[in-house]
Amino acid sequence: GEDVEQSLFLSVREGDSSVINCTYTDSSSTYLYWYKQEPGAGLQLLTYIFSNMDMKQDQRLTVLLNKKDKHLSLRIADTQTGDSAIYFCAESTGSQGNLIFGKGTKLSVKP
Amino acid sequence: DAGVIQSPRHEVTEMGQEVTLRCKPISGHDYLFWYRQTMMRGLELLIYFNNNVPIDDSGMPEDRFSAKMPNASFSTLKIQPSEPRDSAVYFCASSPPGQNYGYTFGSGTRLTVV
Repeated sequence: GEDVEQSLFLSVREGDSSVINCTYTDSSSTYLYWYKQEPGAGLQLLTYIFSNMDMKQDQRLTVLLNKKDKHLSLRIADTQTGDSAIYFCAESTGSQGNLIFGKGTKLSVKP
Repeated sequence: DAGVIQSPRHEVTEMGQEVTLRCKPISGHDYLFWYRQTMMRGLELLIYFNNNVPIDDSGMPEDRFSAKMPNASFSTLKIQPSEPRDSAVYFCASSPPGQNYGYTFGSGTRLTVV
């Protein structure tokens, strides 16, 4: 079945780059997403990438997609304390109805 | 745009009571989703609607859970009777047609059943 895997925790120092990784199983995924969840809040869409792209950059965020290995990563440059949150990877397989979410990676940014 | 609005933000109830969670999607979004989030199981899709019609309710845990969408601007998720294991954060999300928009989530309802 469909599955999305992420490591649960990542700790970095302020100013460093953060790289959050995700693997997925469904090769027919059409869109892949990164969401951010701050404490006590809902999930906020950060960025997405279409499956025919290898990379997408948006200010401090860089998304890399390796379709062959079914691997997605999110790089946050110059990580700030305000980036501390849980980051979810999600895949969409062509049906509107269901995004498959990973369990989330909790990013802690130390001053 | 006020975003997806959920109420209440917090609900504490006793086991056996009925609980109703409410959601107002973004105007013009014709997909609405209900998710449950717990530490153990992460985010679980419970049910989703398209144009007010339930499309997939296979994630609804059991008959104690029911969801309705009487019109395009309102949905409810009801638990009757509630049990302590239902304690979780329940999110509503909405989406326009087309996958590249992703979903817009509400702030969630934190349910505690004692």
